[in-house]
Amino acid sequence: AQSVTQPDIHITVSEGASLELRCNYSYGATPYLFWYVQSPGQGLQLLLKYFSGDTLVQGIKGFEAEFKRSQSSFNLRKPSVHWSDAAEYFCAVGARGSARQLTFGSGTQLTVLP
Amino acid sequence: DGGITQSPKYLFRKEGQNVTLSCEQNLNHDAMYWYRQDPGQGLRLIYYSQIVNDFQKGDIAEGYSVSREKKESFPLTVTSAQKNPTAFYLCASSPRQGAAWEQFFGPGTRLTVL
Repeated sequence: AQSVTQPDIHITVSEGASLELRCNYSYGATPYLFWYVQSPGQGLQLLLKYFSGDTLVQGIKGFEAEFKRSQSSFNLRKPSVHWSDAAEYFCAVGARGSARQLTFGSGTQLTVLP
Repeated sequence: DGGITQSPKYLFRKEGQNVTLSCEQNLNHDAMYWYRQDPGQGLRLIYYSQIVNDFQKGDIAEGYSVSREKKESFPLTVTSAQKNPTAFYLCASSPRQGAAWEQFFGPGTRLTVL
């Protein structure tokens, strides 16, 4: 069975600073990987996804993530954080096959200081 | 506009009562999912359905029931057997065809047991 670890429960950065959110996964084959963002009391919005090919994936809102097979990681990055990026971020791994289930990490809460 | 709707947004239940959460999608997706979200625990899969009239238990199905009589609808019933039902419930859907899939999420229903 697959699993996802997000080691940082809460991260605080200043507006304009760079950001990296960590994600490590466990899966027996090449995984499908996702990053979602959730504002308080809202549903989840997809930021980006990795299925195959280029290991550096570009997403919406200026986010990118890099798949590193050797480290079983899929860290999310943004070069300059905006106050509107404050939210909770979830990494997820998807199983290959017809079920298309996702296993989520426990999330990282991002606070942005002015 | 295509998307997923969940109703109600807030729901209050007395102990011992069954309640049903609505989830409707007009994305023409075959697969639908129900997740439960608790603080600090990410999203946990309750039930999923890949096709009409078929559904499978997820990781935490005890105390919940679902039906899938129409492609567009996947209601979740929280029964009195669920010992700790207060949580945020998210519905999602995804296509079954296509290589680069993702799950699309509704806005959620917050259930509080009084």
